[in-house]
Amino acid sequence: EDQVTQSPEALRLQEGESSSLNCSYTVSGLRGLFWYRQDPGKGPEFLFTLYSAGEEKEKERLKATLTKKESFLHITAPKPEDSATYLCAVQGTSYDKVIFGPGTSLSVIP
Amino acid sequence: DTAVSQTPKYLVTQMGNDKSIKCEQNLGHDTMYWYKQDSKKFLKIMFSYNNKELIINETVPNRFSPKSPDKAHLNLHINSLELGDSAVYFCASSRLRNTGELFFGEGSRLTVL
Repeated sequence: EDQVTQSPEALRLQEGESSSLNCSYTVSGLRGLFWYRQDPGKGPEFLFTLYSAGEEKEKERLKATLTKKESFLHITAPKPEDSATYLCAVQGTSYDKVIFGPGTSLSVIP
Repeated sequence: DTAVSQTPKYLVTQMGNDKSIKCEQNLGHDTMYWYKQDSKKFLKIMFSYNNKELIINETVPNRFSPKSPDKAHLNLHINSLELGDSAVYFCASSRLRNTGELFFGEGSRLTVL
């Protein structure tokens, strides 16, 4: 069965302290892997799509990378406004639905 | 202008009641979704419509019935509410049916007492 796990469950960083979030996935044929950001009381906001191993995407302090079994979301010199839950999701080639992971709750302390 | 809007934002109701949540998108997208986010924050797909046609129907109790009057609207009606239905329900839309690039509404928090 296709599934997505994320680690750590929660992460506290000092402002400026770079780190990475992990997303491990099992899917029979990957159509795409997606990263979202969710602020408290809001809906998820789309960040990136990655399609194949070796691909990288960047946006401000965030960089997403993809291997055949994992994706990493690297956060460089984070700021308090980067605090949110980051969700990873996958879509397989044999179906249309998107399967979400449980998320990593990131807190960046000033 | 809000891209995906849901109403109401909050619902508090008694067990056994019936309730509806409405969703509208002004992005011109062809596909719309209902997701459920439980207390553990897991987002799970419930239904998806593409141009008013039901294309995803996950294992959801028959008490949940989606309706899409046109491709810009997707409503969710829930009969005989149970305690376990308490969750945040998100509406989303996408330009294509086979993409994971979804645009979400702000959610409707349902509390069943």
